[in-house]
Amino acid sequence: GAVVSQHPSRVICKSGTSVKIECRSLDFQATTMFWYRQFPKQSLMLMATSNEGSKATYEQGVEKDKFLINHASLTLSTLTVTSAHPEDSSFYICSAADGTEAGNTIYFGEGSWLTVV
Amino acid sequence: AQSVTQPDIHITVSEGASLELRCNYSYGATPYLFWYVQSPGQGLQLLLKYFSGDTLVQGIKGFEAEFKRSQSSFNLRKPSVHWSDAAEYFCAVGPPSTYKYIFGTGTRLKVLA
Repeated sequence: GAVVSQHPSRVICKSGTSVKIECRSLDFQATTMFWYRQFPKQSLMLMATSNEGSKATYEQGVEKDKFLINHASLTLSTLTVTSAHPEDSSFYICSAADGTEAGNTIYFGEGSWLTVV
Repeated sequence: AQSVTQPDIHITVSEGASLELRCNYSYGATPYLFWYVQSPGQGLQLLLKYFSGDTLVQGIKGFEAEFKRSQSSFNLRKPSVHWSDAAEYFCAVGPPSTYKYIFGTGTRLKVLA
């Protein structure tokens, strides 16, 4: 299957600062990427859909000014958590759609642990 | 409304025993169906998927799943579980027109030595 890489895998930042998480599709081009948030022992919560060359589409209840998403190329999407607060601490996962593969398959990155202190 | 139900939050099996994880969905037409596995602190790995054709699909790591339209189910099975299979398993439904999956709440598998 296709490979999606996330970086960093773990990050600690101070409250009030911003932190950027990268999501890369390593062996395919992804016109669409997704960002999720996962709370401990819970399922994935879709935050936004990232489309290459256009604005991201945010799910209801997700603050677009707080969670900035940029999809500048066919292999890279970034999530920037702005003015982070402790309640933003979570596991963030991205996924990317391989449009060449049948069945609308998406592949996930390894996830990024964000801790805001 | 579209939904995915994984009735079992936790399942414990002995190593070498067979496994079946249940997944039921609600969707107006035949969706694309997926099973993913997540090890602690990791992302999700695709085990298998169904989008057309043979209703019994084979995946990686010895897993298989069967799509039963009449029961709106897509249960995951493995004939003999290994200790390394301990993880969280997610069933997902994907409408054919979009990549926006709907995930189940997950089933945590524990394997006893």
